[in-house]
Amino acid sequence: SYDLTQPPSVSVSPGQTASITCSGDKLGDKYACWYQQKSGQSPVLLIYQDTKRPSGIPERFSGSNSGNTATLTISGTQAMDEADYYCQAWDSRSAFFGGGTKLTVL
Amino acid sequence: QVTLRESGPALVKPTQTLTLTCTFSGFSLSASGMCVSWIRQPPGKALEWLARIDWDDDKLYSTSLRTRLTISKDTSKNQVVLTMTNMGPVDAAKYYCARILKNDSGSYIFDYWGQGTLVTVSS
Repeated sequence: SYDLTQPPSVSVSPGQTASITCSGDKLGDKYACWYQQKSGQSPVLLIYQDTKRPSGIPERFSGSNSGNTATLTISGTQAMDEADYYCQAWDSRSAFFGGGTKLTVL
Repeated sequence: QVTLRESGPALVKPTQTLTLTCTFSGFSLSASGMCVSWIRQPPGKALEWLARIDWDDDKLYSTSLRTRLTISKDTSKNQVVLTMTNMGPVDAAKYYCARILKNDSGSYIFDYWGQGTLVTVSS
């Protein structure tokens, strides 16, 4: 098993920058992905291969991954960004998700 | 346009076998680099990966659930089927199927998700 640890919750004011971390053993040696899940909806791919954004994902979403920690950064956070965020990585031919972080935009 | 849709029983009894079908369109599971995975999410809890089947019929399973899961594909019907034996109350969840794309960098990416199907386990 491979554990990915996220903070349960993060709060941010509108227009500010939110950072959500994901920690795992030597996570920087793997590719990290991030998914956004709004209430009652399916997850949506936000970031893949540590830093890449799929088409249609706003530029305010960015990612990094080094050492044991991957980070999702949301610049100029908007009310519509309030959601659960999950990191994900592959290890030994299995996929693992973090426990999720609830982002509250106050 | 890639779409995936999960189908199956909304209610199963304890000890029964759950069979879920993922019907997809917009891609072919026989194309190199294409995969389909199942993921579940108990109400109010995190995502949990279950299984993956690849274009070349390689099959991967969650280590903790390996003995209870079987994944298969019918390329001609654009369907992937997951069976889970010996269902119990802890298996109640929304079950999602998702397309996985293996890109040129060797990264496997869950790029499209279905709407999910809610499964309750009760006698």
